[in-house]
This record gives sequence, structure tokens and C-alpha cells, in this order.
Amino acid sequence: DAGVIQSPRHEVTEMGQEVTLRCKPISGHNSLFWYRQTMMRGLELLIYFNNNVPIDDSGMPEDRFSAKMPNASFSTLKIQPSEPRDSAVYFCASSLRLDTQYFGAGTRLSVL
Amino acid sequence: DAKTTQPPSMDCAEGRAANLPCNHSTISGNEYVYWYRQIHSQGPQYIIHGLKNNETNEMASLIITEDRKSSTLILPHATLRDTAVYYCIVRPSYNFNKFYFGSGTKLNVKP
Repeated sequence: DAGVIQSPRHEVTEMGQEVTLRCKPISGHNSLFWYRQTMMRGLELLIYFNNNVPIDDSGMPEDRFSAKMPNASFSTLKIQPSEPRDSAVYFCASSLRLDTQYFGAGTRLSVL
Repeated sequence: DAKTTQPPSMDCAEGRAANLPCNHSTISGNEYVYWYRQIHSQGPQYIIHGLKNNETNEMASLIITEDRKSSTLILPHATLRDTAVYYCIVRPSYNFNKFYFGSGTKLNVKP
């Protein structure tokens, strides 16, 4: 298996623009997680899905952030409008039956 | 949530065993201890997990004390590629998805 695949690996955008991050979980996994990592706050869970349904979005910082999982093999994290403080590395992870989480390589987002 | 305490950094000579400690004194009886590592610019990588018994896999060994208040991750023969931040995580029994990563231990493997 190719593991969790995230795209793009790097994203540079200007403040106010919409940003969409993509994730393909490991085939057969039924839980998907979005994390954000910064130097100041470390690795934080933003939201997770179980069987394509959002279960806990308490970590989503504000309404500018939204996440969807239209099917078992694809998820997006959208930021609209983006702000410089959103600059971070965003990780996607997946697991089978809420077991061990396996992470993707991450998307490094820079908002200028 | 049961929090963990780890030293911020450790050094280890290449080829020697690396022993990374973790304190989790408030752990509950059915909460698992997980270890992940993060090599620079990569996503966190699962290493091993356990509940009460010691565990071993191809990457490492996990030693959990009898009272479960602490554990040690052992890399038997550290290589330069093992240089990374190692996270000890207690997985809450009430919410399996709340992985709190903390600050971790930066392991520096030196030639």
C-alpha cells in the first residue's frame, strides 16, 4: 500500500485566498484525521471522520476552516479566507476501526 | 487526559541502545501507551504500543513498569536514521481518537 497520500506537499498563497488540502487515506481504513503542526502549539487534532462522517470537529480553529469526506478514499481541508497565522504543516492520518493512526507526509502551507 | 513527561533531548552513540523514558503517572487501567516518532520534515511514524505487558516488534521494544506509571522505549541498535523526535502518548480510554502528542524527546544519534 502507498500509505496516506497528501497533496500538495507545499502550498504558498496570499492572505485572503482559498486553500484546499487533499488527502487519500490507506485503502480499507475507515477513520480519517486532520492535524496541524506549528512550532508554538505542536501537533493538534483538528477534526476526525469515522465512516466518512465528521465525529469531532472541536479542534477546528474557526469558521474559516472546513473539512469534507465525500467518500472513503478522499478528504479535503479547506481554509477560506486564509490568513498568515494559518501557516503550518497540515497532516492527514487514517486508521482502521479507530486503531493505530498512520500519517501522511504532510502539506506545508505558507500564507503570505 | 493522562499526560506524559519526557526529557526534551537525549544523545546516543550510533550502534548503541537508545533508551527513551516516559512518565505517565496518571494513566488509567485501560489506557494504552503509544510511541510515535517524527523524522525532520516527515509525518509522525507509528513505532509500538502496549497496555500492561512488554512489547517488541521489528523497530523497538516497549517496557512498561508494573504500576504502569512509566515506560521506556528501547531502540536496540540506534543508527543515524533514528535521529528524530519521539513522542510518548497515552491514549484516553474514553476517546480513542484524542492522541495528545506533547513535546516529545529529540533523540540525537551521533557517529
